[in-house]
Amino acid sequence: RKEVEQDPGPFNVPEGATVAFNCTYSNSASQSFFWYRQDCRKEPKLLMSVYSSGNEDGRFTAQLNRASQYISLLIRDSKLSDSATYLCVVNIPYNQGGKLIFGQGTELSVKP
Amino acid sequence: DTAVSQTPKYLVTQMGNDKSIKCEQNLGHDTMYWYKQDSKKFLKIMFSYNNKELIINETVPNRFSPKSPDKAHLNLHINSLELGDSAVYFCASSQVLAGVSQETQYFGPGTRLLVL
Repeated sequence: RKEVEQDPGPFNVPEGATVAFNCTYSNSASQSFFWYRQDCRKEPKLLMSVYSSGNEDGRFTAQLNRASQYISLLIRDSKLSDSATYLCVVNIPYNQGGKLIFGQGTELSVKP
Repeated sequence: DTAVSQTPKYLVTQMGNDKSIKCEQNLGHDTMYWYKQDSKKFLKIMFSYNNKELIINETVPNRFSPKSPDKAHLNLHINSLELGDSAVYFCASSQVLAGVSQETQYFGPGTRLLVL
């Protein structure tokens, strides 16, 4: 099983659509979770951290299910500018190496 | 004002050559990283340094040698370049080591290396 596995893309959606991305992780000791966004030929940038209680930032909602080792990202009212690759990121605790593991990314294309 | 900068942005070179990539961060962070993103877009950690000390070396060929002259700089030297080294190399930094807390990593713009 891959350390971090994401939905295969690409997702092609019309403007205004709601789209959900899923991610599973294999290390039950992981404590920190993130969604990063990477635009074409650019560096990854933090979109949002994911907390146990779930968290929302405008049109973006992230959920964490520790029991199922599952993370999700919901984007409401998609904009053209949301087109990018979304990376699910999970940490490996310091006593196991201390690093971030990136999923392969899910590409989102929002069309007019 | 750029937070994490890398030079060069593009690097085209012949097999067998030796090349270096430089990285600097002005965020005052203690930890810096090198990542490799291959053609399939997988982003993988190569090295991490904390306060100039090597913390992670992820089974990277010893042709790759990182050097951290101070906390704000982490350079990557690659000897005897091979075709398979072609990729985008990202430098990143964070205040504390990944795995210690919910800590954001800030990435540089990347260096696109093409080995011919």
